[in-house]
Order: sequence, then C-alpha cells, then structure tokens
Amino acid sequence: DAGVIQSPRHEVTEMGQEVTLRCKPISGHDYLFWYRQTMMRGLELLIYFNNNVPIDDSGMPEDRFSAKMPNASFSTLKIQPSEPRDSAVYFCASSPITGQNQPQHFGDGTRLSIL
Amino acid sequence: SQQGEEDPQALSIQEGENATMNCSYKTSINNLQWYRQNSGRGLVHLILIRSNEREKHSGRLRVTLDTSKKSSSLLITASRAADTASYFCATFRGGKLIFGQGTELSVKP
Repeated sequence: DAGVIQSPRHEVTEMGQEVTLRCKPISGHDYLFWYRQTMMRGLELLIYFNNNVPIDDSGMPEDRFSAKMPNASFSTLKIQPSEPRDSAVYFCASSPITGQNQPQHFGDGTRLSIL
Repeated sequence: SQQGEEDPQALSIQEGENATMNCSYKTSINNLQWYRQNSGRGLVHLILIRSNEREKHSGRLRVTLDTSKKSSSLLITASRAADTASYFCATFRGGKLIFGQGTELSVKP
C-alpha cells in the first residue's frame, strides 16, 4: 500500500516567493498532520485536520502560513511570503483515528530552503 | 515545548552491541511511543507502551516504562548498521503527539 506522499521532496526558492507543499494521506485515514522539523526546535506540530476540517492550528507560526484540505486525499501547506527562517523539513502525517493510542504515519518530507 | 527528553543525544556503537536510549517526560501519560527516523526520511512508528505496562518487546526492540520516574528506555539488541538512525519518544498531550529531541544512533560495521 502507498504511504503518505509528499511533494516536492526538495524546494529551493528566494525570499519573498510563495511556496506550496503538497500531501496525499493514506487512503481511509481521517486525520492529517503537518509538522516542521529543525535542528533548533525539533519536530513541531503546525496544524491538524479531521475529515478535512482544521481542528488545531495553534502551531502555525504566523499569518504567512496557511493550510487547506479540500478533500480527503489532498492537503497543501502554503507560505507566502517566504523568509529564510522558514527553511526546514516539513512533514505530513496521517492516522486512521487520533487519540493517545494511535501511531501516526509520516511521509518523507519536503526539505525547504529559502535563500 | 518538548514533553520528552532523550538521553544521550548521540550514541556510537559497534555492530553486534546493544544500544540503550532513554526518555524522560514531565506530565502523567497514558502511553508512550517510540519512532525511528532514517536520514532523509520520515518518522516510522516502532512501538507503543501503555502506562499499565512495564515492559514490551518487538523483535530486537525492548521498551521499558517507569511511570514513577517518568522515564522510558528503548533497548536495541544485537545492533546492525541498518539501525543507524535517530530515535524519538513521543507522548500525547493536549490532543497532540509531542516528540522529544531524539537520540542519534550510529552503528559502525
């Protein structure tokens, strides 16, 4: 079975440009999570969705970040305008249900570099 | 804020040796999860241990949990070069899975 699919795997762009990261969760999974990983801050949850509805976006760093899930098989994380401090690896994860006993399934991430 | 803190931050061993990684956490939990991350890849769930369990095994992995000390350990026996990765503990808090900073394990052939 296909796992969580993220694209692109790498993105290099200049400061001020719009960046769009994409994620296809595992079919049948009702929960989708966006994380950011940096050396300084580790793995941070940005936002998560249940049945395409955003549930908690308290981890979104600022208004330049937005996320959408127009249907059960697709989500985007957008940064506009991008800044060098946004450089990180962004992961998408999904799970069939959420809660304390549920493992999450991660994609291989998008490595984002803002010059 | 980080719920779990792994120790050590980095560990280097020879193939065949055992590797032990520790995780400490701050608040009470219902369970604790361990994940592995290979270089350039996403996290992979390894094992979940519930608060009423003291020890759990999965292949060459052995996880212990001491809720009185708020700590857990992950033991990898007979390590292989393919075990080279970062290992993270994670606990559920406030509706979210919170990850520690991880232990970077290097297994030399």
